[in-house]
Amino acid sequence: DIQMTQSPSSLSASVGDRVTITCRASQSIITYLNWYQQKPGKAPKLLIYATSSLQNGVPSRFSGSGSGTDFSLTIGSLQPEDFATYLCQQSYTTPYTFGQGTKLEIK
Amino acid sequence: QVQLQESGPGLVKPSQTLSLTCTVSGGSISSSNYYWGWIRQHPGKGLEWIGYIYYTGGTTFYNPSLKSRVTISADTSKNQFSLKLRSVTVADTAVYYCATYGDRYFDYWGQGTLVTVSS
Repeated sequence: DIQMTQSPSSLSASVGDRVTITCRASQSIITYLNWYQQKPGKAPKLLIYATSSLQNGVPSRFSGSGSGTDFSLTIGSLQPEDFATYLCQQSYTTPYTFGQGTKLEIK
Repeated sequence: QVQLQESGPGLVKPSQTLSLTCTVSGGSISSSNYYWGWIRQHPGKGLEWIGYIYYTGGTTFYNPSLKSRVTISADTSKNQFSLKLRSVTVADTAVYYCATYGDRYFDYWGQGTLVTVSS
């Protein structure tokens, strides 16, 4: 299975900050990398697919980049509603695998 | 837009079979646009893909780690698909989500249902 490793596991930031979360795959996944946002007690919500494509309705302050094994999610200017857990997921091959999550907390 | 809703028992005894159903609205499971899948999340942990079914041809794909115990099936007359996980243990306690897999991503999700395995 392809292992997905996110860093950091948690992050404290303030409203207005720019933050970057990284995700590393144990082998090349080309650009088959998706990002999800999950709030407590809720299902994950797709933010970005295929590394850098924004899902419909997702604010433009979210962006993604990377290729091969190293990827990142950047939030340009944190808003109060952005404090949540972020998960990466590879769709290069089955079994599809997820990162362990990065919890973004208010400083 | 597609909406998904999981249903089924919240408590299952060890060694028994976990059975969940996902009811689809706003779309047809006969659609060739999606795979219809299941994902679980152990308490406080990451997500684990269980498997999915592609109605056209009834093709199923399962996570090898669970393949020997899992069956995913579909009922087009009810616009539902189902998960059966046999011989459960406490390690199968998790929130179970149904989700659509479209163009190589999980786009629509159910709200999730907690299944606890306990005697």
